[in-house]
Amino acid sequence: ETGVTQTPRHLVMGMTNKKSLKCEQHLGHNAMYWYKQSAKKPLELMFVYNFKEQTENNSVPSRFSPECPNSSHLFLHLHTLQPEDSALYLCASSRSNRGEKLFFGSGTQLSVL
Amino acid sequence: DQQVKQNSPSLSVQEGRISILNCDYTNSMFDYFLWYKKYPAEGPTFLISISSIKDKNEDGRFTVFLNKSAKHLSLHIVPSQPGDSAVYFCAASSNTNAGKSTFGDGTTLTVKP
Repeated sequence: ETGVTQTPRHLVMGMTNKKSLKCEQHLGHNAMYWYKQSAKKPLELMFVYNFKEQTENNSVPSRFSPECPNSSHLFLHLHTLQPEDSALYLCASSRSNRGEKLFFGSGTQLSVL
Repeated sequence: DQQVKQNSPSLSVQEGRISILNCDYTNSMFDYFLWYKKYPAEGPTFLISISSIKDKNEDGRFTVFLNKSAKHLSLHIVPSQPGDSAVYFCAASSNTNAGKSTFGDGTTLTVKP
């Protein structure tokens, strides 16, 4: 148990669906992240939030829309995804956004049909 | 351009022997390095880290060595145990890059009983 909880664990969606991924951290951290892990690729940083403010958008397509209502919760809203978006989506948190160790959730395995 | 590389996709060692996982980086601005371990169906978990002001950091069976001139770091696990079988990711960050962690592709370690 890392203190970072992600739901759902698995998600299958069609290209016209709208779905959301949820992440919650119970560690009192101030920074939260979304990472994407595709098969045989390194983890790719998508978004960074620090004290609820987005500090990084790593050129992510607009069909991925993050939301951070408070320092403990992070969402990733998905809309009109493509099959190549199928991947493991990982949420992480850290005490600050200064490159400290990350605490990851278990991830959401997303399949886009 | 991949700034953090783990050139060995897999490594197999016998229980009780030493496991050595390697990582190379290209960005001389990186000043903090981390290793994460990932089991199937779980998110990565932090293992050990090292600051660029040090060349060695030890934590129990795990030791990380940093060679700044060669831009190379390695993780030594001794003695290796079957429970160490996992994917190991190397990551690097820099205070000048808002602390973003850049990850390698990962090395799958298998420890045989």
